[in-house]
Amino acid sequence: GQQLNQSPQSMFIQEGEDVSMNCTSSSIFNTWLWYKQDPGEGPVLLIALYKAGELTSNGRLTAQFGITRKDSFLNISASIPSDVGIYFCAGLYTGANSKLTFGKGITLSVRP
Amino acid sequence: GAGVSQSPSNKVTEKGKDVELRCDPISGHTALYWYRQRLGQGLEFLIYFQGNSAPDKSGLPSDRFSAERTGESVSTLTIQRTQQEDSAVYLCASSFGPRRGGYTFGSGTRLTVV
Repeated sequence: GQQLNQSPQSMFIQEGEDVSMNCTSSSIFNTWLWYKQDPGEGPVLLIALYKAGELTSNGRLTAQFGITRKDSFLNISASIPSDVGIYFCAGLYTGANSKLTFGKGITLSVRP
Repeated sequence: GAGVSQSPSNKVTEKGKDVELRCDPISGHTALYWYRQRLGQGLEFLIYFQGNSAPDKSGLPSDRFSAERTGESVSTLTIQRTQQEDSAVYLCASSFGPRRGGYTFGSGTRLTVV
């Protein structure tokens, strides 16, 4: 089946630093999404990408849909303590009954 | 409602008992999904509803798992004869349809089987 690869499992950064997270797949997707999950909550959508090569920003977040349609990255600039959480990438290959496939997530810790 | 609502938020049950988990999607969302998240893991797809039919049940791990949905409203995930390996957070999400992927998730039900 389709699998999304996110690594490393955990990242530790200093407040104010930028961080980049990558997500790769052996399969093509035509939609990529990035979600963040806080403890005890469900994932919340951060950014959605619908076209190969698309670069989209949402505040301090920037994400790109890879040109091969098999990868995406998420950048967080000038990190703050509330950026702590688990970041999931998700891919969708749209069809009549498509559903999101999720990566295993990266746990981000921000040291003050 | 304003968001996806799941109940109960926590459930502790004895091995072998049946449990029912409930999901109230956002009003107007025709698509509804159930995912399972084991500790420290990603989200594992279980089942997808479009309206009250389930075109994709491929993720249900065994015949102990079943789900139903009433119209374009509430869904119930039932786990029969629970096992300790069923312990996880069960997340429900809804969307206007399967094509855009912008699911809205509930906060989940944390199931612990003892």
